Amino acid sequence: NAGVTQTPKFRVLKTGQSMTLLCAQDMNHEYMYWYRQDPGMGLRLIHYSVGEGTTAKGEVPDGYNVSRLKKQNFLLGLESAAPSQTSVYFCASRRTTGDGREQYFGPGTRLTVT
Amino acid sequence: GNSVTQMEGPVTLSEEAFLTINCTYTATGYPSLFWYVQYPGEGLQLLLKATKADDKGSNKGFEATYRKETTSFHLEKGSVQVSDSAVYFCALSRDTDKLIFGTGTRLQVFP
Repeated sequence: NAGVTQTPKFRVLKTGQSMTLLCAQDMNHEYMYWYRQDPGMGLRLIHYSVGEGTTAKGEVPDGYNVSRLKKQNFLLGLESAAPSQTSVYFCASRRTTGDGREQYFGPGTRLTVT
Repeated sequence: GNSVTQMEGPVTLSEEAFLTINCTYTATGYPSLFWYVQYPGEGLQLLLKATKADDKGSNKGFEATYRKETTSFHLEKGSVQVSDSAVYFCALSRDTDKLIFGTGTRLQVFP
């Protein structure tokens, strides 16, 4: 099992450009999450999904959109990138029940917006 | 609302020293509590967890006890190694959907 994978690992964007980050998991997990990690602020939840075809807003959703068309994939889109979106983005997934609600994380995508 | 407070870092220790990283939480009811570790350049990995009061989570020599009376989940290790250098996150889950993280504590261990 590859677990949770993220594509790409690094990206540099200019202000106003768009991009999509891909998260894939092969554990048949129902729940998937997108976080951003900034210095001194821990991880903040952007959007999440409790199943295929569903999405919900987290703590900091503005400027981002998501889609969950397939159970194994969760896409995070930036329509018009801003320097404030420079961050490290992590995807995570978990089962519906069991594991005490443990989330499994991907390796991260480092995004720089200039 | 639900929240997690961790001690600020960095925590700097010599190899074989005793480690404590404090974590306290605010939540209604009985949340599950977690410690995650992030090694340089990597994602977060679950280190240990506790799902009810007085439970002790343990892994790789690390321990934490769920203390409902003090709303705490402090991380301890008796003898740290250089390879333990990482950022440690305390987290709680109160409802079925989300984890709430503390801001993280960087541990640096020197030989």
